Amino acid sequence: EAQVTQNPRYLITVTGKKLTVTCSQNMNHEYMSWYRQDPGLGLRQIYYSMNVEVTDKGDVPEGYKVSRKEKRNFPLILESPSPNQTSLYFCASSFTRGQNQPQHFGDGTRLSIL
Amino acid sequence: GESVGLHLPTLSVQEGDNSIINCAYSNSASDYFIWYKQESGKGPQFIIDIRSNMDKRQGQRVTVLLNKTVKHLSLQIAATQPGDSAVYFCAENSGYSTLTFGKGTMLLVSP
Repeated sequence: EAQVTQNPRYLITVTGKKLTVTCSQNMNHEYMSWYRQDPGLGLRQIYYSMNVEVTDKGDVPEGYKVSRKEKRNFPLILESPSPNQTSLYFCASSFTRGQNQPQHFGDGTRLSIL
Repeated sequence: GESVGLHLPTLSVQEGDNSIINCAYSNSASDYFIWYKQESGKGPQFIIDIRSNMDKRQGQRVTVLLNKTVKHLSLQIAATQPGDSAVYFCAENSGYSTLTFGKGTMLLVSP
């Protein structure tokens, strides 16, 4: 089944403790992206990747890192999480470099930073 | 945690009615538009898309209308069912790699 898989689905942690949210897609998509979703603000892009070893900042990249060492994986790293990063996070992917292609989303990761 | 459905405009309809969800987009240069459906606890799910060289596109029970003059997009759902209850987002391709999402509308369908 074609899908975008995120792990973990839920995480409660404390300020400053490094964490990684993994994202994997099995559709051989070139383009991958991370979003956060907050009430009243909608979906905002954190980082995206056009292809392996190519990553770029989105609208809200502060406090996050990403890497794209393999085509299928695009982990989101919070080196020193803070409470304002408490949110619902989505990974998405699409075939080409984003234009005129629908993005396919994972089911989300809910992070709570205490 | 707080639901993403809070703070959203809400459309309430009866089962069997037709639903129309509207979206205003911001960038007159956007050339590709998508509607997504998000059910509670799940990620956005692709419904239908439309390119700017079209003004209407139909899928199964859904129709998207695009009015570039007033930068308006609508999603029509025919014979709405309780399973259609969800938050619906429009998105526009406002750059080479960027989708900009609307805030969403919650659709509530009563049996």
